[in-house]
Amino acid sequence: NAGVTQTPKFQVLKTGQSMTLQCAQDMNHNSMYWYRQDPGMGLRLIYYSASEGTTDKGEVPNGYNVSRLNKREFSLRLESAAPSQTSVYFCASSQTKNTEAFFGQGTRLTVV
Amino acid sequence: TQLLEQSPQFLSIQEGENLTVYCNSSSVFSSLQWYRQEPGEGPVLLVTVVTGGEVKKLKRLTFQFGDARKDSSLHITAAQPGDTGLYLCAGAVAAGNKLTFGGGTRVLVKP
Repeated sequence: NAGVTQTPKFQVLKTGQSMTLQCAQDMNHNSMYWYRQDPGMGLRLIYYSASEGTTDKGEVPNGYNVSRLNKREFSLRLESAAPSQTSVYFCASSQTKNTEAFFGQGTRLTVV
Repeated sequence: TQLLEQSPQFLSIQEGENLTVYCNSSSVFSSLQWYRQEPGEGPVLLVTVVTGGEVKKLKRLTFQFGDARKDSSLHITAAQPGDTGLYLCAGAVAAGNKLTFGGGTRVLVKP
């Protein structure tokens, strides 16, 4: 079972560069999420999509954009990377907001 | 200010001791989940509590959902080194669509 697949696993960017983090789930889940996790901290919600065709801001959306391409895929874009965006990014999916969230392996992003 | 406040942030105990982690909010949640995260991995679900006052047990772990559905606790009895990890509570408010996490409690159980 693939579950939630995130790519890439590691990335180094220079300040000002752009990139897109890809996420796909094969569980037919309605909800998908992007979180960031800084060292020793919990997860902060960047954006989420409660269903195909909808996206909403989370706690820390500034500097990011998302696309719910279809029910399976939810991508996160950094248009102009900043050192403050150095973090580990997790994509997750769940059937509803009240059911188990399944996570990808994470993307470790460093912006220099 | 986070929607879900966890305490303590860090807990270091000896093997065999008990510990309790708290998750508090001023909002009412339709459900609350507890996850455990190992280094380099994504969080993995331990339990979901739905009903106010609900108590669930998972071996040596006991989870409780507050009567008003605004808070929850995780109690570990006779902790073992294998219980070491980051414990995260997460929930969705009744009127919303998103799953929000607390700041996490890092637990270290020393042999």
